[in-house]
Amino acid sequence: AQSVSQHNHHVILSEAASLELGCNYSYGGTVNLFWYVQYPGQHLQLLLKYFSGDPLVKGIKGFEAEFIKSKFSFNLRKPSVQWSDTAEYFCAVGYTTSKLTFGTGTRLQVTL
Amino acid sequence: DSGVTQTPKHLITATGQRVTLRCSPRSGDLSVYWYQQSLDQGLQFLIQYYNGEERAKGNILERFSAQQFPDLHSELNLSSLELGDSALYFCASSSGTSEEGYEQYFGPGTRLTVT
Repeated sequence: AQSVSQHNHHVILSEAASLELGCNYSYGGTVNLFWYVQYPGQHLQLLLKYFSGDPLVKGIKGFEAEFIKSKFSFNLRKPSVQWSDTAEYFCAVGYTTSKLTFGTGTRLQVTL
Repeated sequence: DSGVTQTPKHLITATGQRVTLRCSPRSGDLSVYWYQQSLDQGLQFLIQYYNGEERAKGNILERFSAQQFPDLHSELNLSSLELGDSALYFCASSSGTSEEGYEQYFGPGTRLTVT
């Protein structure tokens, strides 16, 4: 069965600091990879996705992620975080039109 | 706004009771997915329907059931409720085809509290 690991459970950063959240998945086949964000009290919103092609994908709000197939990783990055980025971030893996398997999430707290 | 709607937003009920959660997918989406989010289990896939038929099953208890109707809305039925069923229940939808790249759009969720 596929699984997703997010190594950072709680990250605290100052505004303008750079962000990198780790995500590793277990599966040898073709995968679709996603990062979702959940702002306090809100639903999941898609930040970015990778299906094929350029392994460096850009999403909304200045986020980007790099797919490294050899490392089974899909890390999320942002050069300079803002206070409004405070949220929970979920990495997810999917296969065609099937379910998504989510990581346990990383709570990001950005301080002023 | 993702275009996926869920009702009700909040539900408080007692142990042993039965509730129904409703989801309307985005216009044109044929696939509906149900997920449960709890503090101890995280986000877990429950069940998927595609155009009225069950497509995939995850960690869904036998006390739980779902269906998708001809107008494509879906209902998740939870019965004999226990305290541990308290969670946020999300519905998501996708087109179910490759054209949109399998992206799932999530609704605002229903927060269920079992007392």
